Amino acid sequence: DIQMTQSPSSLSASVGDRVTITCRASQSISSYLNWYQQKPGKAPKLLIYAAFSLQSGVPSRFSGSGSGTDFTLTITSLQPEDFATYYCQQSYSIPYTFGQGTKLEIK
Amino acid sequence: QLQLQESGPGLVKPSETLSLNCTVSGGSISSSNYYWGWIRQPPGKGLEWIGSIYYSGSTYYNPSLKSRVTISVDTSKNQFSLKLSLVTAADTAVYYCARHTRGLLDLWGQGALATVSS
Repeated sequence: DIQMTQSPSSLSASVGDRVTITCRASQSISSYLNWYQQKPGKAPKLLIYAAFSLQSGVPSRFSGSGSGTDFTLTITSLQPEDFATYYCQQSYSIPYTFGQGTKLEIK
Repeated sequence: QLQLQESGPGLVKPSETLSLNCTVSGGSISSSNYYWGWIRQPPGKGLEWIGSIYYSGSTYYNPSLKSRVTISVDTSKNQFSLKLSLVTAADTAVYYCARHTRGLLDLWGQGALATVSS
């Protein structure tokens, strides 16, 4: 299985800040990397697919980059609704696997 | 628009079989573009992909669960189902159904909590 490791596991930031979350794969996954946002009691929501493509309806303050084994999710100008847990996921090979999550909290 | 809704018993006894259904509304499960999958999340923990099915019945599973999992589809009901046998407390989780294309999970159900307890 491909192991996905996110850092940090948690992050405190303020409204208006720029934050970056990192995801590393245990082997190359090309650009088969997706990012999801999950709020408490809700299902995950797809934000970014194929490393950098923004899902329809997702604000442009979210962006993704990377290829191979190292990827980042960047949120510019944090909004109150962005405080949530973020997961990366590889869709390169079965079994599809997720990172352990990064909880973004209000400072 | 397309929606997915999980349903099934919320409480399962240890060693028994957990059964959940996912009903697709607002569109056809027989779309040639999509697979339909199950993902679970133990309380306070991360996400685990369980397995997926195509409308034709073709399936693929997470090897870690493969010996206990069966996913099936009923196109007449626009529904697909999950059965997980020989459950233990470690199988207590919120179970989500989702639509995907090559592992890209773009539409999710709201989730159903299944608790394993005697």
